[in-house]
Parts: sequence; C-alpha cells; structure tokens
Amino acid sequence: EPEVTQTPSHQVTQMGQEVILRCVPISNHLYFYWYRQILGQKVEFLVSFYNNEISEKSEIFDDQFSVERPDGSNFTLKIRSTKLEDSAMYFCASYLYEQYFGPGTRLTVT
Amino acid sequence: KQEVTQIPAALSVPEGENLVLNCSFTDSAIYNLQWFRQDPGKGLTSLLLIQSSQREQTSGRLNASLDKSSGRSTLYIAASQPGDSATYLCAVFHRNSGGYQKVTFGIGTKLQVIP
Repeated sequence: EPEVTQTPSHQVTQMGQEVILRCVPISNHLYFYWYRQILGQKVEFLVSFYNNEISEKSEIFDDQFSVERPDGSNFTLKIRSTKLEDSAMYFCASYLYEQYFGPGTRLTVT
Repeated sequence: KQEVTQIPAALSVPEGENLVLNCSFTDSAIYNLQWFRQDPGKGLTSLLLIQSSQREQTSGRLNASLDKSSGRSTLYIAASQPGDSATYLCAVFHRNSGGYQKVTFGIGTKLQVIP
C-alpha cells in the first residue's frame, strides 16, 4: 500500500540555522500539506499545495517558511532561520480522496 | 470561518464499554469528514472517511456518522479495548474563498481504556 514518507525522523539544529524537511507524498495525489504539532498541543495546519502552488496557508506560515516540490516527487518545507518555538513535530500529508499522513519529523531547535 | 470542536477533551472508560466521541463544525458546507487516531509521539492514522453525501461509515468496531445540517459527526467505538487508548481527531474538508480545499482539525479527544 502506498504511503507518505518523511526524512529525517529527527532533526536537531541550532537557533538561526536553516532546516529543510523532506516528504515524499503518494504519487497520484492532488493536494499536499504541512502541519506541525508542538508537544502536547493540537495539530496545526501550516500550508497546502495544489498544482505546484500554495493553495492555502495559515498565519503561522510567515516569511520564514517556504515550500517546494522541486522534482515532481519530493515536497519540502524550509524554515529559513529557526527559533526555539519552531521545535515541534512536522507532519506531511497528501490527499486524493482522503488524507494520508507521514510519520513526522521531530525538529528540536537548541 | 470554520471551527471544529471535539467533546469531551478527555475520556476514561473501563474495558468493554461502548463509547461515543463527538465532533461539531460551524459551517455545514463541507464535502468530507475524516476521523484519525494518533498514538503518543506518532503520526495520524486514518480511521474512517465520510463523504458529505453519506450518513455513516463502518469499519470493524468503529462506526462514524455524519449529520451535515446540524454540523455534527460522532465516532462510536464498540466494546472498547486498552489498545484503543489514543487521541482521536476529526478533520473537516471544505473550500476556501479561492475554491481550493481547506482542512480544519479539531483538538482531539484523548481516550483511555482501563483494563
């Protein structure tokens, strides 16, 4: 059964550094998403991507964040200058008739 | 603006009990509703998807219902087991002002099933 994969599973970075989180969504899906979940809190929507452009973004998704689908398979989330409060689980998801989530990347900013 | 509420926030039941989790949404113009399960430190696993034209979906001991007009969905778990302990989230799929899909999640109900 096809699945959404994410790498790395855990990323530790220093404040101010750039990080790129990677996702391989299910290939024939139409929408791709990034969510984050701060420890113990709710799942928060960041951004959705359709037809190679952003279709919706939340207030959290400010200029520090960007998304790309560089090669038609990978889907990346870049955080330009990480802050302590960016520490969270980041989930990628893709959608055709229902939404499928990846296992997440735990980002720790020190 | 679509808002999704899940009640209760937490629930603790003895093993074997049947239980109902509730999800309500403010804008009935949805086209799908999906229930997920999340184990601690893990991703979200899809349980059931209900399309807007459907009233309910069943999978094993799980039954999800949808009443679009009243903005409510319930997830019924029969004969609960300790392995059902997890956080259950509902997500509604609707459209943004540009006609693109938008997903709004509830905060979840944390279920504990006591052996």
